[in-house]
Amino acid sequence: DARVTQTPRHKVTEMGQEVTMRCQPILGHNTVFWYRQTMMQGLELLAYFRNRAPLDDSGMPKDRFSAEMPDATLATLKIQPSEPRDSAVYFCASGLVRDEAFFGQGTRLTVV
Amino acid sequence: QKEVEQNSGPLSVPEGAIASLNCTYSDRGSQSFFWYRQYSGKSPELIMFIYSNGDKEDGRFTAQLNKASQYVSLLIRDSQPSDSATYLCAVTRNQGGKLIFGQGTELSVKP
Repeated sequence: DARVTQTPRHKVTEMGQEVTMRCQPILGHNTVFWYRQTMMQGLELLAYFRNRAPLDDSGMPKDRFSAEMPDATLATLKIQPSEPRDSAVYFCASGLVRDEAFFGQGTRLTVV
Repeated sequence: QKEVEQNSGPLSVPEGAIASLNCTYSDRGSQSFFWYRQYSGKSPELIMFIYSNGDKEDGRFTAQLNKASQYVSLLIRDSQPSDSATYLCAVTRNQGGKLIFGQGTELSVKP
């Protein structure tokens, strides 16, 4: 059963701490997306990669967020330092040629 | 103007009726169009995609695309209570491009 795997599923952290979220895309998929979902803003695209190369990270606050793909089986999203306004559900999704995205279960982040 | 716009709802329909969900997009260069369903507390799941003008049917679902009007819709026939969810429209400009989502329309199907 191929699926996108995200860890951790839930994270509670104090303001100012570093948060790292991980994503294992579906094997063979060459596009990886990071989204943030809140009630107010809906699903916002933070960054996406194709063949491990970052194509667009314009949706990401550059001063505190960073996204990387160290290899084809791992994508990471880091927030340093975290702030209460970063509280949201962060989704990773992967896809292939047709641009459709298959979502992981998400990481629910709470910054207190 | 948002890139992808949807009526947030809630849209309420009786069981067995046709639910019609609408989406407009601002980028005329958009090429691929997707409908996702998201149950409360769950992740979005892809239910339909459409690339060409016209209708595309899959079971009880029909996606309709009109590029001239920059409009895409999803019809759900014989709506069931299990169809109650938020439906997200997503658009991308070209292969490998940004996949941008609308805010979603909440659908409630009443028994």
